[in-house]
Amino acid sequence: GAGVSQTPSNKVTEKGKYVELRCDPISGHTALYWYRQSLGQGPEFLIYFQGTGAADDSGLPNDRFFAVRPEGSVSTLKIQRTERGDSAVYLCASSLGVGQTGYTFGSGTRLTVV
Amino acid sequence: GDSVTQMEGPVTLSEEAFLTINCTYTATGYPSLFWYVQYPGEGLQLLLKATKADDKGSNKGFEATYRKETTSFHLEKGSVQVSDSAVYFCALSDFGGANSKLTFGKGITLSVRP
Repeated sequence: GAGVSQTPSNKVTEKGKYVELRCDPISGHTALYWYRQSLGQGPEFLIYFQGTGAADDSGLPNDRFFAVRPEGSVSTLKIQRTERGDSAVYLCASSLGVGQTGYTFGSGTRLTVV
Repeated sequence: GDSVTQMEGPVTLSEEAFLTINCTYTATGYPSLFWYVQYPGEGLQLLLKATKADDKGSNKGFEATYRKETTSFHLEKGSVQVSDSAVYFCALSDFGGANSKLTFGKGITLSVRP
C-alpha cells in the first residue's frame, strides 16, 4: 500500500483481556518495527523484524507481549492479560531493510485498558 | 545505553519568530541523528537527519547540525509559521551495530500563534 496501515485505530478493552493489533507495512519493505508511546513520552522500541524473524525483541516489556510476522509482511502485536499500564499508542513502522534510515510510521493504534 | 534528552516544553512562539529546540544525546557508538515531527492527527514523519559528525540536515526551512564535540543536534528555523505547530522528537540510531532501533527523546510541543 501507499503507507503503513494500522488497525484498529482505537481499541478499548477490559483489564485482563487479550488484544491483537495489526500492522500492514509498505509493500516491499522487509524491516518492520513496533514502538509504544505513552502519554507525554517519546516512542519506545518494542521489537523489530527482518523478514519473518524477530531480529531484536529486547524492548518487549514482559512475556505478556508477543509479536509475529508469519509471511514477512503483515505483523500482529499480541498482548495477553492486559493491564491498565498497557494503555498507550502502539506505533508500527517499516523500512526497506535493517540499517536503512527511511522509516515510515503508521498512525498508530490507541489502546485503552479500563 | 543510548539516550536522548530534549529541552522541556511546551514552546509557544509568534509567527516569524526564530526557533531553537535543544537536543543532546548519549551513545556508545557513532549514531545517526534524526528529527521527527508529529502534526495534529497525523503519524510521525521524518523531518531531517544527519549520519556523521558536522553533517547538517535540512528540510522545510528547518536545520540541525550533528555536533560530536558537544553531543548535540539542536533544531533551528529562522521564521516559524502557524503550520509548524506540532510535536517534535529528536532521535538516534546506531545503524553501525546489529540493532536498528530508534531511541527517542520525550518530544516537545511547539505552538505558533498568528
